[in-house]
Amino acid sequence: AAGVIQSPRHLIKEKRETATLKCYPIPRHDTVYWYQQGPGQDPQFLISFYEKMQSDKGSIPDRFSAQQFSDYHSELNMSSLELGDSALYFCASSFGGEGEKLFFGSGTQLSVL
Amino acid sequence: SQKIEQNSEALNIQEGKTATLTCNYTNYSPAYLQWYRQDPGRGPVFLLLIRENEKEKRKERLKVTFDTTLKQSLFHITASQPADSATYLCALGSTAGNTGKLIFGQGTTLQVKP
Repeated sequence: AAGVIQSPRHLIKEKRETATLKCYPIPRHDTVYWYQQGPGQDPQFLISFYEKMQSDKGSIPDRFSAQQFSDYHSELNMSSLELGDSALYFCASSFGGEGEKLFFGSGTQLSVL
Repeated sequence: SQKIEQNSEALNIQEGKTATLTCNYTNYSPAYLQWYRQDPGRGPVFLLLIRENEKEKRKERLKVTFDTTLKQSLFHITASQPADSATYLCALGSTAGNTGKLIFGQGTTLQVKP
């Protein structure tokens, strides 16, 4: 069965650079969520989209932005990267916007040097 | 503020025994509670969802209870196997705004020894 696809799998950036993370949800899933997970930490909710509209926002820095496109894929744009942005970024998708039964991708490991 | 607490220490048990993990929460009125499994470097995998009006739910060797009075959920794995070794996360959702925002606990690491 198709799963959530994230790209790239690994990303290395310098401070103050920008990064774009992509997420392709499971077909027919209409909701996408972004989470940030630091080493040994629990996943922190960043932002979610339901039917291409932002549905909720968590602890996402102003330097980050995201959107969901007409084909339901989503991109997380991160600018002015800081060392503290180094983390595993997960995208998840579900059907219906109520946060039930999320399917997670394998994540993008971002390292900011 | 809203808080979710799981067993902070790793849980080590012998193969074949029942593992019981705890999730407690405060300042929260979740419409449902979910349990996920996470292996190192991988995304969480959905296991079970239990709603606020349900007391217990089972799936194969897994059982979840949900006590909204105690604000607690227990997650049981019976006849545990070494392959069950992983970190288990509980997550709370709310009907507020139906936005789907899930708050995760910090997880409990389970180690099943052969």
